Amino acid sequence: EVQLVESGGGLVQPGGSLRLSCAASGFTLSRYEMNWVRQAPGKGLEWVSYISETGSGKLYADSVRGRFIISRDNAKNSVYLQMNSLRAEDTAVYYCARDTAATDAFDLWGQGTMVTVSS
Amino acid sequence: QSALTQPPSASGSLGQSVTISCTGTSSDVGAYNYVSWYQQHPGKAPKLMIYEVSNRPSGVPDRFSGSKSGNTASLTVSGLQAEDEADYYCSSFAGSNWVFGGGTKLTV
Repeated sequence: EVQLVESGGGLVQPGGSLRLSCAASGFTLSRYEMNWVRQAPGKGLEWVSYISETGSGKLYADSVRGRFIISRDNAKNSVYLQMNSLRAEDTAVYYCARDTAATDAFDLWGQGTMVTVSS
Repeated sequence: QSALTQPPSASGSLGQSVTISCTGTSSDVGAYNYVSWYQQHPGKAPKLMIYEVSNRPSGVPDRFSGSKSGNTASLTVSGLQAEDEADYYCSSFAGSNWVFGGGTKLTV
């Protein structure tokens, strides 16, 4: 089955760190660009970060640049999001999403993992 | 990186049609044909419904259609069905980032 499964979410104090993982199965991860998209409780979707097929290209939203780091390990079929200096406004469900260079659309999403930043 | 503008709500009766707008700028919607639409039911992950302005992924009913004029994109749902009731989000590539709309709650 083609799917993405996120893990690593939880409760963390402001200023703390967390590492999210996204496990891909049923397709060849190395052929796809990958993204993280988040959704604060009761709010809309917000794109967070992008990584190219090989990992050589990375992009970040202004709201997380300098604090979050995206990476991937195609041999392990996984994508990661290292989140540092977390703030209350980072509280959200974080989704891993696949896209293709041809369409720049997110055609496969995981079920999401909840991150709560609170003291 | 400003969000695209969508109406917060839209509604229609069973069998009717409804159109949801998505307004951006000349740096995102107006600059690229990389506008996509997503459907999200409560507690579920978003699902791609339209990509590249007007293309439907395999499995998406042809009741869903998309278009674009200038800086505004639109999603039309024809022949409304009960299962179409959901939140809908537009998105556009913007050169070095992606932007989403605030979402539209469609009530059938």
